[in-house]
Amino acid sequence: GNSVTQMEGPVTLSEEAFLTINCTYTATGYPSLFWYVQYPGEGLQLLLKATKADDKGSNKGFEATYRKETTSFHLEKGSVQVSDSAVYFCALSDPNAGTALIFGKGTTLSVSS
Amino acid sequence: ETGVTQSPTHLIKTRGQQVTLRCSSQSGHNTVSWYQQALGQGPQFIFQYYREEENGRGNFPPRFSGLQFPNYSSELNVNALELDDSALYLCASSDQGRVNYGYTFGSGTRLTVV
Repeated sequence: GNSVTQMEGPVTLSEEAFLTINCTYTATGYPSLFWYVQYPGEGLQLLLKATKADDKGSNKGFEATYRKETTSFHLEKGSVQVSDSAVYFCALSDPNAGTALIFGKGTTLSVSS
Repeated sequence: ETGVTQSPTHLIKTRGQQVTLRCSSQSGHNTVSWYQQALGQGPQFIFQYYREEENGRGNFPPRFSGLQFPNYSSELNVNALELDDSALYLCASSDQGRVNYGYTFGSGTRLTVV
C-alpha cells in the first residue's frame, strides 16, 4: 500500500542554519506530493506541492523536488528562522487509491536564536 | 475567500457517549475530508464526502459516520466513544476536480474522552 516515511525528530537548529527534512514514499501510481506545516495549537497549512516527477515546489524559502528515481521529496531551506519552528508533515495523494492524503508521522523543528 | 471553519474547538466527553463535530468548507470547495490526528502522530484519513455521498473511507469502524449537506458543510459523528478516540479531528476541503492543488484544513476540534 501507499505510505510516507519521514526522518524522526526533533530537529534542533540555530537561526540561519540550513535545514533538510527527509521524506520518502511508496505509491502504486503517480502521486502528488505535499509538505504541510502545523504550528502549535493550529491545523495544517499547505507549504508546497509537486504534482509530477522533477517538479520543484517552493514557498517562503522552502523547497522540495519530486524525485521519482529515489521516491523522495526532501524539504530544504537555506536559512531557517525562529518563526519556522513547527511540525512538518510530508504527504501524498495517489489518484489510483482515491484522493485521500496519506501523511508521514511528522518532524518537529525547533529553531533557536 | 473564507477558510475552513470547525466547531467546537475543544470538547470533553465520557466513554460511551456520542459526539458530533461540524465543519464549514472553504468557499468554492465541494469535497470534505475528515482526519484523526492522535498526539505526536500524523493525521489519519477517516472518510471523504463529495456531493453528499461518502466516496472514500479509511480504516475506521462504522461507529464513525458522517454527513455532507447541500452547502458542502459536513458533520462527523462518533458513537460509543472510546478512550482511544481522544485526538485532534481535522476537516479539510478541496475542489474534487483540482485535488492536486491540495487541501485546505481547519484548525481542528480537540476531543478528549474520559
